[in-house]
Amino acid sequence: QKEVEQNSGPLSVPEGAIASLNCTYSDRGSQSFFWYRQYSGKSPELIMSIYSNGDKEDGRFTAQLNKASQYVSLLIRDSQPSDSATYLCAVKDTNAGKSTFGDGTTLTVKP
Amino acid sequence: GAVVSQHPSWVICKSGTSVKIECRSLDFQATTMFWYRQFPKQSLMLMATSNEGSKATYEQGVEKDKFLINHASLTLSTLTVTSAHPEDSSFYICSASGGASALEYFGPGTRLTVT
Repeated sequence: QKEVEQNSGPLSVPEGAIASLNCTYSDRGSQSFFWYRQYSGKSPELIMSIYSNGDKEDGRFTAQLNKASQYVSLLIRDSQPSDSATYLCAVKDTNAGKSTFGDGTTLTVKP
Repeated sequence: GAVVSQHPSWVICKSGTSVKIECRSLDFQATTMFWYRQFPKQSLMLMATSNEGSKATYEQGVEKDKFLINHASLTLSTLTVTSAHPEDSSFYICSASGGASALEYFGPGTRLTVT
């Protein structure tokens, strides 16, 4: 079983729709959770970080964390074609520790 | 956000030669730097964790004598790929983290092609 699993893609949504990306992790001691966006040929860009249970909103993005279920998600509202990218979920067991990345979910937003 | 640079952004070298990649944190002190490798259509694979002033910690399966990492200052880490071979061709990405912060700031990556 992989340490960090993301829902298999690719995911395709129409422009203006909500895109939902999911991630589960195996280490119950995980403390920090991140979503990165990676455009083809580029390095990852941090979208959201979340550390406690519940929702965290930043513009069109909402991260949701449920430590009991070992589940973290990212919702993208009003999806735009520019949101088309691969989204990586990452988990850390300590603040200064190393990140474990999921395989990524490729999102395509169709105009 | 914090800025991390990498140099060069791309490099082509001949098999058997060595290549050095620099990673710099431009506006913060990076106590920890991470080096990743990413093959096409695959996720990031951590190669090693580097703390300023100490030896790097390599992930299982990564040859420390082949991938030399130096973190001599709080703003600079280098990765040297020694005796490069075509199978070392990949996208190498560094990230930097400062103090107790969990946030990692990624450099733009270096695309290495070994011919």
